[in-house]
Amino acid sequence: AQTVTQSQPEMSVQEAETVTLSCTYDTSENNYYLFWYKQPPSRQMILVIRQEAYKQQNATENRFSVNFQKAAKSFSLKISDSQLGDTAMYFCAFMTNYGGSQGNLIFGKGTKLSVKP
Amino acid sequence: KAGVTQTPRYLIKTRGQQVTLSCSPISGHRSVSWYQQTPGQGLQFLFEYFSETQRNKGNFPGRFSGRQFSNSRSEMNVSTLELGDSALYLCASSLEGVGGKNIQYFGAGTRLSVL
Repeated sequence: AQTVTQSQPEMSVQEAETVTLSCTYDTSENNYYLFWYKQPPSRQMILVIRQEAYKQQNATENRFSVNFQKAAKSFSLKISDSQLGDTAMYFCAFMTNYGGSQGNLIFGKGTKLSVKP
Repeated sequence: KAGVTQTPRYLIKTRGQQVTLSCSPISGHRSVSWYQQTPGQGLQFLFEYFSETQRNKGNFPGRFSGRQFSNSRSEMNVSTLELGDSALYLCASSLEGVGGKNIQYFGAGTRLSVL
């Protein structure tokens, strides 16, 4: 069974600084997708970034980038120039989406990030 | 384009009752997934529907059921409510195929409290 582990329950960072959130996963599959979602206090789950396992190039979205290490099964999220609005729970998630796994995102327990002014 | 809409936003029920939650996906999205979020168990997959068919189901008791209509709107039902069913229920829709990129877009959730 696939699992996703986020080892940092809580983190804090000063505004304008950089922070890295860790995520590891376990799977025997070769083709899969990895995601970081953000859930602010409003509870709306928002996609931050997406990575396809067959792509070696790390995904980037503005201030957000990932370090995807397929062999190590590691998928960390780096947030540069942190802003107060980045304060939220961050969830790492995994999906294969075939062979009976359709629509099933497997989530980690989350990392609560606080950005301090 | 309107996002994923879940109704109602909040619900209070008593043990033994049943409840129905509704989810309207993004226009054009035919896949709808449901998740339960609790402080103890985190986010857990309930089931996924595509073109009115349940394609995948998580490890939940039979009291949890769902369906999807021809317009892709989905409902989930929980019968004989238990205190442990108190949770945030999230619905997500996605666009099948290469263009969809396997991205799920979430609604704001329905907060269910069972007393």
